[in-house]
Amino acid sequence: DVKVTQSSRYLVKRTGEKVFLECVQDMDHENMFWYRQDPGLGLRLIYFSYDVKMKEKGDIPEGYSVSREKKERFSLILESASTNQTSMYLCASSPGGSHTDTQYFGPGTRLTVL
Amino acid sequence: SQKIEQNSEALNIQEGKTATLTCNYTNYSPAYLQWYRQDPGRGPVFLLLIRENEKEKRKERLKVTFDTTLKQSLFHITASQPADSATYLCALGTNAGKSTFGDGTTLTVKP
Repeated sequence: DVKVTQSSRYLVKRTGEKVFLECVQDMDHENMFWYRQDPGLGLRLIYFSYDVKMKEKGDIPEGYSVSREKKERFSLILESASTNQTSMYLCASSPGGSHTDTQYFGPGTRLTVL
Repeated sequence: SQKIEQNSEALNIQEGKTATLTCNYTNYSPAYLQWYRQDPGRGPVFLLLIRENEKEKRKERLKVTFDTTLKQSLFHITASQPADSATYLCALGTNAGKSTFGDGTTLTVKP
């Protein structure tokens, strides 16, 4: 079974702090994604990556950056956390290399910024 | 602009009945469409995928239809059970491997 793990289930940070969210997948997937999920707004794509050291902006990249130094690991960085970044953050991976891609999600990190 | 709409935020049905969830989209030409299940506090889990040239797909008690003329997908759960209670998300995919998700419909199956 594909396993996608996220470094924390719950995280509380203060405004202005730098926040790292880590995601690791164990199935050699090419694609990795970061979403945030908010009530009434659904899943929104922040960034995605099709390959190591490669990244592309999603629909809401402002205030975020990402890093993919190794194929299995995709990190989301909040350079200076703000209260409006309080949300559920979901990481996903997909095999890539084909025209249809099922995404496998991690358990999520619920981030609260005070 | 592109838009995905899933019918009503919440759907309540009696155990044993068929649940039908709707996913409508505009200004979008998806190559495929997927349905995911999400339980509270957890990430979505893939259920079914249907391609643009397919009309219907089945998996056990689940059935998905895809009408590219109406720009609509229907997701059916037959003989529903309380364990089917969850939020169901539709996601439209392109050949680039990126998907856009709907807001989801929360299904409650009452015993």
